[in-house]
Amino acid sequence: LAKTTQPISMDSYEGQEVNITCSHNNIATNDYITWYQQFPSQGPRFIIQGYKTKVTNEVASLFIPADRKSSTLSLPRVSLSDTAVYYCLVGVPLPLINTGTASKLTFGTGTRLQVTL
Amino acid sequence: DGGITQSPKYLFRKEGQNVTLSCEQNLNHDAMYWYRQDPGQGLRLIYYSQIVNDFQKGDIAEGYSVSREKKESFPLTVTSAQKNPTAFYLCASSTPWTGGSYEQYFGPGTRLTVT
Repeated sequence: LAKTTQPISMDSYEGQEVNITCSHNNIATNDYITWYQQFPSQGPRFIIQGYKTKVTNEVASLFIPADRKSSTLSLPRVSLSDTAVYYCLVGVPLPLINTGTASKLTFGTGTRLQVTL
Repeated sequence: DGGITQSPKYLFRKEGQNVTLSCEQNLNHDAMYWYRQDPGQGLRLIYYSQIVNDFQKGDIAEGYSVSREKKESFPLTVTSAQKNPTAFYLCASSTPWTGGSYEQYFGPGTRLTVT
């Protein structure tokens, strides 16, 4: 299973760009990298997903170097409402998981982002 | 509204009792998942199902059981064999994988307390 490592916590001021890096040294060829956001006592919410290079959507960018052993979630201008826990997920879409094997869906420990004025 | 519902939001049980957590989705997704989250920790996969009448163990399946008799429903039973059942339980479903990307949609969770 691909193990992920993220910083436990980060602090930022409102309006700044925040970059959260996830390390996944033993990522497998078929693994995708996905980031989720979670507020207290709620289910996580999908932010962005990528396989290689750079992916951008309306809320974030995801940078993945050529070796894919790490990835960086970039939140362009954070606001107070971005205070949450951010999880890096490395895993394989279900159609690629062999029946009977252990899951290859692994959540990291999460990074607690605190945004202040 | 399309989404995933979990009920109840809070559940209290005595030790030694089995308890079933409900998960229903109207997103027409084939794949469904159950996760467990302990305070200050990440999510750990309990069971997942790719299709009706099929399910696979995740990383921490011991003490849990599931069924998938209907596409919309994926109930989780926490049995008395689960040593530390008190936790926040999250159900999810995922979009079909078309070779591009896939996304998991999570329910609001059920907080189970066993005393």
